[in-house]
Parts: sequence; C-alpha cells; structure tokens
Amino acid sequence: AQSVTQLDSQVPVFEEAPVELRCNYSSSVSVYLFWYVQYPNQGLQLLLKYLSGSTLVKGINGFEAEFNKSQTSFHLRKPSVHISDTAEYFCAVSDLQAGTALIFGKGTTLSVSS
Amino acid sequence: EAGVAQSPRYKIIEKRQSVAFWCNPISGHATLYWYQQILGQGPKLLIQFQNNGVVDDSQLPKDRFSAERLKGVDSTLKIQPAKLEDSAVYLCASSLVRSAFLSTDTQYFGPGTRLTVL
Repeated sequence: AQSVTQLDSQVPVFEEAPVELRCNYSSSVSVYLFWYVQYPNQGLQLLLKYLSGSTLVKGINGFEAEFNKSQTSFHLRKPSVHISDTAEYFCAVSDLQAGTALIFGKGTTLSVSS
Repeated sequence: EAGVAQSPRYKIIEKRQSVAFWCNPISGHATLYWYQQILGQGPKLLIQFQNNGVVDDSQLPKDRFSAERLKGVDSTLKIQPAKLEDSAVYLCASSLVRSAFLSTDTQYFGPGTRLTVL
C-alpha cells in the first residue's frame, strides 16, 4: 500500500534562514504529489503540487519542491522563512491506480523564531 | 468563491452518544471527501463521494460511522455510538473531479470539526 514518510516531526529555524522539509513516498507507480499547509485552527491549504513535467515545482508564499523519482522524494524548500510560515506542513500523494483520495504523511511542524 | 463550509466547528460529547457533522462543498464540485485527523497524525480518508454515489468507503468503520450525500451537494457524517478513540478533527474536502480516477483537480479543505469524546 502507498505510504508517505515525513522525516522530521519538528523543524525549528530562525527567521530569514533557509528551510527544507523532507518527504519520501513508497509507490513505484505514477503518483501525483502535494504539499499542504495547516495554520492553527484552520483547514489545509494547498502550497504546491507535482503532476508531471518539470521536476521543480513552485508554489505560493515562496515555497518550492523538487520531485526526485529515483529517490522517491518530494522535499519542500524555502530560501528565507518568515515568522508567519510557522505552521504544520503535510506531504501527500495521490496514487493514480487507487483513485483521487490523498494519502498524507504525519506532518512536520515548522517553528520560525526571531 | 466561497470555500468548503463545515459545522459545527467544535463538539464535545460523552462516549456512547451520537454526533453528526455537516459539510457544504464548493458549488459545482462533484467529489466530496471526509477525512479523519487524529492529533499528531496526517488526515486519513474515511469516505469519498462522486456526486451522490460512494466511490471509496473502505476505511470507514461502518459499525459506528455513516455518511450520506443527498442530491450530490451537502454531506453529513454521523458517529453512533462514539468511542474515546473517535476524538479527532473531521475534515471535509471537495474537488471538481468529474471522474473518480486520473484527476489533477485540487482538493479544497474546510476548517474541520474538532470532536472531543469524554
């Protein structure tokens, strides 16, 4: 069965520092990949998605992610974080053979301090 | 464009009681999903509707959970009777998806209903 592993449960960083949130998935078949952000007491908001084409995907709020098929990874990056980026980040995959529902990782808490 | 609406936002009940959650998806969205998010975990799919038909309910605990989507618009998720382990946030999401498979449509999530079972 498809699974998603987010390698870090918590990532503390200082404001204006770069950050990388790591995500690996298990499927060997074609997949769509997503990163969602969840602010406190809010629903999930799509940051970016990889469907096909260029392996470097740019999203909202200055985030980008790179799809690496050989390493089955989809790491999220931002060159300079802000206090307002403090939130929970979820990596998710949609297995094209299993339908459109998303399979989520356990999440990474990004804490940005000054 | 209005987002996915859910109510109530918070609910506290005692075990063995029943509870119902309501979801109004974005207008025109054919597919509706219910996810369960337990504290410290990512959301997990409970049930997926395509219009008013069920596409996937393989992870729905059918002895206590039920869901319906009458007329292919609003949806209700019910738990009866509730257990302590049902304490979670219940998220509703919708997407345009016209087909149950091979879709690139984004899923839009509502704010969720936080259920506490005492």
